[in-house]
Amino acid sequence: GEDVEQSLFLSVREGDSSVINCTYTDSSSTYLYWYKQEPGAGLQLLTYIFSNMDMKQDQRLTVLLNKKDKHLSLRIADTQTGDSAIYFCAESEGSARQLTFGSGTQLTVLP
Amino acid sequence: DGGITQSPKYLFRKEGQNVTLSCEQNLNHDAMYWYRQDPGQGLRLIYYSQIVNDFQKGDIAEGYSVSREKKESFPLTVTSAQKNPTAFYLCASIGGLATDNEQFFGPGTRLTVL
Repeated sequence: GEDVEQSLFLSVREGDSSVINCTYTDSSSTYLYWYKQEPGAGLQLLTYIFSNMDMKQDQRLTVLLNKKDKHLSLRIADTQTGDSAIYFCAESEGSARQLTFGSGTQLTVLP
Repeated sequence: DGGITQSPKYLFRKEGQNVTLSCEQNLNHDAMYWYRQDPGQGLRLIYYSQIVNDFQKGDIAEGYSVSREKKESFPLTVTSAQKNPTAFYLCASIGGLATDNEQFFGPGTRLTVL
C-alpha cells in the first residue's frame, strides 16, 4: 500500500528558513499536500501541488517536488514562532477524497 | 460562518462504556471522514461516507461504528470493543468539484478512557 514518511522533529531559530521533508512510495500519486496542525486543533491546508509541477510558491512557503525520487519538501522562509506546529504531508491518486498522511513533523521555532 | 464542529472538545469515559462523538458540517459537503490521531503516528482513517446512508470502513474500523442519516452529520461511536480508545479524533469533510482538493477538518475531540 501507499506509504508516506516524514522525520518526527525539526528545530530552527526564529528568522531562519525551515525545510520539512517527505517521501512517498505511490508512483500513482497525483496530488501532494501540506497540512498544518496547531496544538489541540484540527488540520489546516497550507498548500498542494500537482505531480506534473516541480515547484509552487505561495508567500513564505515554497514546495519542491522531485517526482523521480518521490520526494516532497516544504520550505518556510523567515520562520516565526507562530509557525511552531505539526506539519503533515499527504498524498492522493485523485482528488483529496482519499488521502494518505505521513506521521507529521513537529516544528519548533526557537527565539 | 460555514465549517465543521465537533463536540465535546474533551471526553472522558470509563472502560466498558460506549461513547458517541459528534461531527456536524454546514458546508453542504457530501463526503465525511473520521480519523484517529496518536502521537508520532499521523492520521489513520476509521470510517468514511461519500453519501447519505452509505459508509465504508477505513484502515482501523474495528471497535468503532458510524451512521450517516443526514448529510450534515456523521457521528462516531467508540464501542467497548475498541481496545485502546484513548486518542485525538478528527472529523473532516470534502465537497463538490469546486472544492475537491481540500479536506476540511474539525477542531477534534480528545477522548480519554479512565
